[in-house]
Amino acid sequence: QVQLVQSGAEVKKPGASVKVSCKASGFTLTGHYIYWVRQAPGQGLEWMGWISLNRGGSDYAQKFQDRVTMTRDTSISTVYIELSRLRSDDTAVYYCAKNSGSHGGFDNWGQGTLVTVSS
Amino acid sequence: DIVMTQSPDSLAVSLGERATINCKSSQTVLYSSNNNNFLAWYQHKPGQPPKLLIYWASTRESGVPDRFSGSGSGTDFTLTIDSLQAEDVAVYYCQQYYSTPYTFGQGTKLEIK
Repeated sequence: QVQLVQSGAEVKKPGASVKVSCKASGFTLTGHYIYWVRQAPGQGLEWMGWISLNRGGSDYAQKFQDRVTMTRDTSISTVYIELSRLRSDDTAVYYCAKNSGSHGGFDNWGQGTLVTVSS
Repeated sequence: DIVMTQSPDSLAVSLGERATINCKSSQTVLYSSNNNNFLAWYQHKPGQPPKLLIYWASTRESGVPDRFSGSGSGTDFTLTIDSLQAEDVAVYYCQQYYSTPYTFGQGTKLEIK
């Protein structure tokens, strides 16, 4: 079955970088994108961007343009999000999610990765 | 960016009754070439990832109980939960996937009265 398995929780200091992984299985890469969505404590869902699994193209929300990089390693079906120059308000649960091949909804999600930014 | 605004922010409904959540987009999410509304609804429970309920504004995802239904077109949408069950307590989000960034509404917290 389709699975997205994310890496474990991270604690980082302000100004550092964090890299979270999302390993995909159970579906073909072609035609699918991985999206990253985060949820800060007590807040709603925030869309960060996407990466194409087979072509590698990406698109980021303008808010994160200068701090985020999404990459993939097709040999191990894993995508990564790296967020640099961390601030305390980057503390959040980060989710990866896959789009359906037939519609735009996010039909499968990773379990989430808590990133805590604290001095 | 398309702004998604949900109402109400929170809602308390008795078991077995109907819950209605509204979502309004700042511009149309109806793609005229295929007449589809690029609008999804998610259920989010604490400690779990969000779960897709509805896509194309009104199509239920496989396995979603038929007490969940979506309606609307253009800029105004509704998620209806008929005969509310205890397991439906969650935060519900609408999301547009018409244009990036694929923005979410602020969420509606549904509780039991």
